[in-house]
Amino acid sequence: DAGVTQSPTHLIKTRGQQVTLRCSPISGHKSVSWYQQVLGQGPQFIFQYYEKEERGRGNFPDRFSARQFPNYSSELNVNALLLGDSALYLCASSPAPDFYQPQHFGDGTRLSIL
Amino acid sequence: GNSVTQMEGPVTLSEEAFLTINCTYTATGYPSLFWYVQYPGEGLQLLLKATKADDKGSNKGFEATYRKETTSFHLEKGSVQVSDSAVYFCALSDNYGQNFVFGPGTRLSVLP
Repeated sequence: DAGVTQSPTHLIKTRGQQVTLRCSPISGHKSVSWYQQVLGQGPQFIFQYYEKEERGRGNFPDRFSARQFPNYSSELNVNALLLGDSALYLCASSPAPDFYQPQHFGDGTRLSIL
Repeated sequence: GNSVTQMEGPVTLSEEAFLTINCTYTATGYPSLFWYVQYPGEGLQLLLKATKADDKGSNKGFEATYRKETTSFHLEKGSVQVSDSAVYFCALSDNYGQNFVFGPGTRLSVLP
């Protein structure tokens, strides 16, 4: 079975631009979560979506938004990019909304802001 | 807010040594606790978990006990192998299941 897939794998943007990152969950998984991982730190929770509804939100500014589609895939959008947004963005899927079920992580999208 | 603190790495051990990676947390209510691991070249994966006080999670020879009185969830293994070399993350979810917090990670290197 295919795991969590994320695209693109790498992305280079400049300050002020907008970016969209994509995630396809494992088949049958209805929950998708997004994380930001700065080099040398642990992942930071951005959003969780379950059944197309936002279920949880971390401490990120409104420049960050996301949505989930009927097929449970998800997009993360970041507007007005800042240098500090440079990071690895991870997507994780799970079958249920509670985090007690194991989250299955993708390989991430590495975003670099120039 | 909720937070997780882990012992700083890197930790370097010889094969068959005893491993402890300390983890303490701050949270309201009754969080669930997790250890995730990232092996070289691989994605994050769940190692073990515990959902209530005094629960012990275990997997692949690793164990951790949910200690509410000391707000701790230390990871232990009696005899490490070279293949255990990885980055280990302690994490918690709040009791509403609407937030997930990772610690900073601890890099473990096991030498033959």
